[in-house]
Amino acid sequence: RKEVEQDPGPFNVPEGATVAFNCTYSNSASQSFFWYRQDCRKEPKLLMSVYSSGNEDGRFTAQLNRASQYISLLIRDSKLSDSATYLCVVKPEGTSYGKLTFGQGTILTVHP
Amino acid sequence: DAGITQSPRHKVTETGTPVTLRCHQTENHRYMYWYRQDPGHGLRLIHYSYGVKDTDKGEVSDGYSVSRSKTEDFLLTLESATSSQTSVYFCAISESQAYNEQFFGPGTRLTVL
Repeated sequence: RKEVEQDPGPFNVPEGATVAFNCTYSNSASQSFFWYRQDCRKEPKLLMSVYSSGNEDGRFTAQLNRASQYISLLIRDSKLSDSATYLCVVKPEGTSYGKLTFGQGTILTVHP
Repeated sequence: DAGITQSPRHKVTETGTPVTLRCHQTENHRYMYWYRQDPGHGLRLIHYSYGVKDTDKGEVSDGYSVSRSKTEDFLLTLESATSSQTSVYFCAISESQAYNEQFFGPGTRLTVL
């Protein structure tokens, strides 16, 4: 089983739609969780950290379910500019140097 | 955006030649990382540094070495490039390993013929 698993998609949605991505992780003692977005041929950029209580940043909402070991990202009112690959990222427990484990990404395409 | 630059941005080289990639940061962050990204594998850690002259191996370190003589510079060397090292290489920095939000440089596209 991969340490971090994501549905690769692609998700094709119209502008204005709501779309949700899930990600599961295998290490139950994982400490920190993030969503990054990566545009084609660009570097990954931090979208948001994921807190235990859930958190929201504008149209984006992240949730963490430790019992089921998954995190989610909800995007409301999708824009064309949201088209990108979304990477689920986990910091496993027991690492001394801040090792992050990256999922392979979920591709989102928002069309007019 | 975090002040991270990578050089060169693109490189084509031949099998067996040594190659050095440079990562430069202006954020004075302690932690620096080298990743490679390949289709079907996602981002994988090659080497990391937790201070000047302090480095260690990641999960795919074979065939790579690193050096960090100054806080701002982290060099990745392919000792004898092979076609399997054709990839996109990203440098990342982090201020703290405890929480560890990492910020990435623009990447280097390396092709080994």
